[in-house]
Amino acid sequence: DAGVIQSPRHEVTEMGQEVTLRCKPISGHDYLFWYRQTMMRGLELLIYFNNNVPIDDSGMPEDRFSAKMPNASFSTLKIQPSEPRDSAVYFCASSSGPPTNEKLFFGSGTQLSVL
Amino acid sequence: KQEVTQIPAALSVPEGENLVLNCSFTDSAIYNLQWFRQDPGKGLTSLLLIQSSQREQTSGRLNASLDKSSGRSTLYIAASQPGDSATYLCAVRLSSGNTGKLIFGQGTTLQVKP
Repeated sequence: DAGVIQSPRHEVTEMGQEVTLRCKPISGHDYLFWYRQTMMRGLELLIYFNNNVPIDDSGMPEDRFSAKMPNASFSTLKIQPSEPRDSAVYFCASSSGPPTNEKLFFGSGTQLSVL
Repeated sequence: KQEVTQIPAALSVPEGENLVLNCSFTDSAIYNLQWFRQDPGKGLTSLLLIQSSQREQTSGRLNASLDKSSGRSTLYIAASQPGDSATYLCAVRLSSGNTGKLIFGQGTTLQVKP
């Protein structure tokens, strides 16, 4: 398996623009997670899905952030409008079973820079 | 509120040395604890997962221990190699409330010199 695949690897945009990050989980994994990593706050969970259904979005910073999972092999994280403070590395991760028992597999991340 | 702390923030050792990385957490009500490795510009790789009922897990030259009552975990790396150079993060999973959430430490950046 190719692992968790994220695109793009790098995104540079201007403040106010819409940004869409994409993720393809490992085939057969029914849990998908979006994390954000910054120097100041470390790794933070934004939202996670089980069987394409959002389970907990309490980590989503504000209404400018939205995430969808239209099918088992694809998820998007959208920021509209983007702001400079959104600059971070965004990771997608998946697991094959309940997060209480299973390891998490991470993608390589999307480095987002909002100017 | 669960807080995870890793000390030291950075560590430099000569090749071949055995070393220990430390992780502490404030709330012992956890489901499990994971150790991850992160290489520069890359995602995280899960190294070891210890359930709350377990005391340790081993994989190759890596051994992770868990003392839930004292809120501590250690990652022992035997016979360190330059390829072990990376940032090591520990993360705990809460046993109540949002069990889907991992709480991460800030990491220990390890450099193994040839």
